[in-house]
Amino acid sequence: SYELTQPPSVSVSPGQTATVTCSGDDLGHKYASWYQQKPGQSPVLVLYQDTKRPSGIPERFSGSNSGNTATLTISGTQAMDEADYYCQAWDTSAYFFGTGTKVTVL
Amino acid sequence: QVQLVQSGAEVKKPGASVKVSCKASGYTFTSHDINWVRQAPGQGLEWMGWMNPKYGNTDYAQKFQGRVTMTRDTSISTAYMELTSLRLDDTAVYYCARGIQLWHMFDYWGQGHLVTVSS
Repeated sequence: SYELTQPPSVSVSPGQTATVTCSGDDLGHKYASWYQQKPGQSPVLVLYQDTKRPSGIPERFSGSNSGNTATLTISGTQAMDEADYYCQAWDTSAYFFGTGTKVTVL
Repeated sequence: QVQLVQSGAEVKKPGASVKVSCKASGYTFTSHDINWVRQAPGQGLEWMGWMNPKYGNTDYAQKFQGRVTMTRDTSISTAYMELTSLRLDDTAVYYCARGIQLWHMFDYWGQGHLVTVSS
């Protein structure tokens, strides 16, 4: 089994930068994806292949992945960005999700 | 536009089985994997397995091997996930998601299907 660890919560003021980390063994050599999930809704892909944004995802979402840590950065955070965020990676023929981080916009 | 439409919620008794459907539209059904992910109430996402709709081959997460079966009907672009020997802790929302294996990501998700296991 492959473990991906995220901080349970991150708080950010509107307009500031939120940083969510995802730690896993040798994660930098795998593709990391990130999903946003709002209450009562299905997850939405916000980043894939570490840094790529799907069509329709705002430029304020960016990512990096190196060593054992992948990072999701939300620049100029807006109230609509308040949600749970999950990282994901593939290892030994299986997908694994991170433990999830609740981003609160205060 | 790509859509994955899932069947409605249901209640099952412990020991029973459930079969959840996922109807795809807006793309060629056989061109992309279908993955199944579940989420227990208040918990995180848990990957259950994937199926290649073109060939029907599957791969299941170790936790669910022996209890889960993923199938498809290409004539109606629908994928199915059956989970047997249900337990109380199988209560969850079950999602289907289209997978892009090249980049190891899921780009479209169904709306979810709530399965409640209760005696």
